[in-house]
Amino acid sequence: QQQVKQSPQSLIVQKGGISIINCAYENTAFDYFPWYQQFPGKGPALLIAIRPDVSEKKEGRFTISFNKSAKQFSLHIMDSQPGDSATYFCAAFIMYSGGGADGLTFGKGTHLIIQP
Amino acid sequence: DGGITQSPKYLFRKEGQNVTLSCEQNLNHDAMYWYRQDPGQGLRLIYYSQIVNDFQKGDIAEGYSVSREKKESFPLTVTSAQKNPTAFYLCASSIVRAGANVLTFGAGSRLTVL
Repeated sequence: QQQVKQSPQSLIVQKGGISIINCAYENTAFDYFPWYQQFPGKGPALLIAIRPDVSEKKEGRFTISFNKSAKQFSLHIMDSQPGDSATYFCAAFIMYSGGGADGLTFGKGTHLIIQP
Repeated sequence: DGGITQSPKYLFRKEGQNVTLSCEQNLNHDAMYWYRQDPGQGLRLIYYSQIVNDFQKGDIAEGYSVSREKKESFPLTVTSAQKNPTAFYLCASSIVRAGANVLTFGAGSRLTVL
C-alpha cells in the first residue's frame, strides 16, 4: 500500500512558468513533509520541508502548500528555470518528540523538464 | 566538508557474485539508511540502522545484508540471492533527535549485473 502518492510522474514547463507537483498521504500520524531534488547521477538533496501546523512555506522560488484536512501538499516552483530540471520527490514521516522518526515514505518522483 | 561518501560509483557484477557497497559519513549522524532507486519506483528502503551494532529490515531487505560496526560506516552487501540487483543504490544518514531527523544522501552507487 503506497502511503504517499505523487503526481504527475513527468512534467514539462516552459521557462518562466510555474511548476506544480502534488502529493497526497494517507497516514494522519505523519507530521513532517520534506521535498527532495535529485539531478541525474546524484543523490537527492533536501529542498524544502514543512510541518502540518502551517499552511505554506516559501523559500525563494520554491513554495510548499499544505492542506491538512485534504491530506495533500504540493510544491510550487515559480519562474521555473532550465536549471530546475530534475526529479523531485515528496516524502512524509512521523517525527517523535523524544528524537527519532518512523514511517519515512517517499513518493515515486516527478521528472521535471523546463524548456528554454 | 562533512558528507556521505559512497563507493564505488559504478560497479559491474556477474550473476552469482556477492558485492559490497561502501557508505561512510563524517556528519556524526546516528542513523544510516540504504535505499534502492529504480525508474518509476521512487526510493525503496532496504535496511536502516539507528545505532551501532543494530539494524532493521526495510521494505525490500531480501537478498541484501548490512553491518554497523562503526557509527561512520554502513556497508551494504548485495548477495547472489537478490533476483534483480541492477539498480541505483543510495545511502543516507540523519541525526536522531527531535526536529532534526531529515535525511542527507550520498551520491549513489550504480550496480549493473552482466
